[in-house]
Amino acid sequence: DSGVTQTPKHLITATGQRVTLRCSPRSGDLSVYWYQQSLDQGLQFLIQYYNGEERAKGNILERFSAQQFPDLHSELNLSSLELGDSALYFCASSPGWSSYNEQFFGPGTRLTVL
Amino acid sequence: DQQVKQNSPSLSVQEGRISILNCDYTNSMFDYFLWYKKYPAEGPTFLISISSIKDKNEDGRFTVFLNKSAKHLSLHIVPSQPGDSAVYFCAGTLIQGAQKLVFGQGTRLTINP
Repeated sequence: DSGVTQTPKHLITATGQRVTLRCSPRSGDLSVYWYQQSLDQGLQFLIQYYNGEERAKGNILERFSAQQFPDLHSELNLSSLELGDSALYFCASSPGWSSYNEQFFGPGTRLTVL
Repeated sequence: DQQVKQNSPSLSVQEGRISILNCDYTNSMFDYFLWYKKYPAEGPTFLISISSIKDKNEDGRFTVFLNKSAKHLSLHIVPSQPGDSAVYFCAGTLIQGAQKLVFGQGTRLTINP
């Protein structure tokens, strides 16, 4: 158990809909990262927040947005969903902002868009 | 544009033998590399890392080798154990712009008894 929690575990929705994925980092960690893993692909970095502020941005679509709240939990919002958005979404956390540090991953949310 | 590549989707090794997982990168702006291991239905967990100023880092049964001129790194597991069966991801820290971690596609390692 990494100490990072993600809800829900599974999500099935239809094209055009909007969903929110939630992540609670390990106690004391200030950074939260979001990754997308599509079938047979590696983890694609989406976005990082550090202590409430956006720190780094990866290949995140404009239809996707994220935020980190004062209690440090984070939410990833996916809107106008398409079939290709079906994937595993992982959240990770780390104490600092640097990508040199080990990141601790949650178990992921599996999103299926029908 | 896959900047970190793991060209072997799968690898099968006999228990007790050496497992060698390979990773290539294309961008010289990577300055730190990490290996993560992932079991089904779990998130990846950190295994071992190496700075670009080193060519080897060892931790128990796990050793990572870095060849900067070839832009290649490898993870050696000796001896391989059944519990090592998992998907292994290579990742590099890219220092172009804001730091971010770039992952390879993963290699599924199966250790056979």
